[in-house]
Amino acid sequence: GQNIDQPTEMTATEGAIVQINCTYQTSGFNGLFWYQQHAGEAPTFLSYNVLDGLEEKGRFSSFLSRSKGYSYLLLKELQMKDSASYLCARIGAAGSYQLTFGKGTKLSVIP
Amino acid sequence: EPEVTQTPSHQVTQMGQEVILRCVPISNHLYFYWYRQILGQKVEFLVSFYNNEISEKSEIFDDQFSVERPDGSNFTLKIRSTKLEDSAMYFCASSAFKVGNEQFFGPGTRLTVL
Repeated sequence: GQNIDQPTEMTATEGAIVQINCTYQTSGFNGLFWYQQHAGEAPTFLSYNVLDGLEEKGRFSSFLSRSKGYSYLLLKELQMKDSASYLCARIGAAGSYQLTFGKGTKLSVIP
Repeated sequence: EPEVTQTPSHQVTQMGQEVILRCVPISNHLYFYWYRQILGQKVEFLVSFYNNEISEKSEIFDDQFSVERPDGSNFTLKIRSTKLEDSAMYFCASSAFKVGNEQFFGPGTRLTVL
């Protein structure tokens, strides 16, 4: 299987930093994505990691450790509009097209 | 900025009826996908499509489902005989490349089967 685990909910304060963790089964791994999904809307792409290390993109960064089957999404300088679900998703074996999503982490940013 | 569009935004149908969900992928993209999300649950892959044929499909995509690219712009998902459990948000997505590709999602069609 390609089980993906991430916390169900998190709460953080405006202006703070929050880290959302994701673990996945390492077999057949070919890339890890993070998407943001506001309630009732489509997922929007945030980041893609295929090699170990940290990828930074503005206020958002994503980290990957392939040997540990672990990734995190780091959100800095939180804003109220960052309240959303954050979806961890992996691409399967080489040649696979499908994204397998986790259940998502619902982040609530409070004043 | 180019975007994936989907119609209708909401479709209500009776159990057993056929529905066709329509998508217009981003114009220079080559890979097309359908996903669904049952209310409160995770996004699930249904099917991918490339070069006018299905590349990959999940266990959900049974004989009741089919996809088609009838012309150079539209990409459709047909459900032949809808069931109550088909009620979900259906997302179309497209990407330019396969490896490391960002999949751009459309706004979705909410399908309600009564």
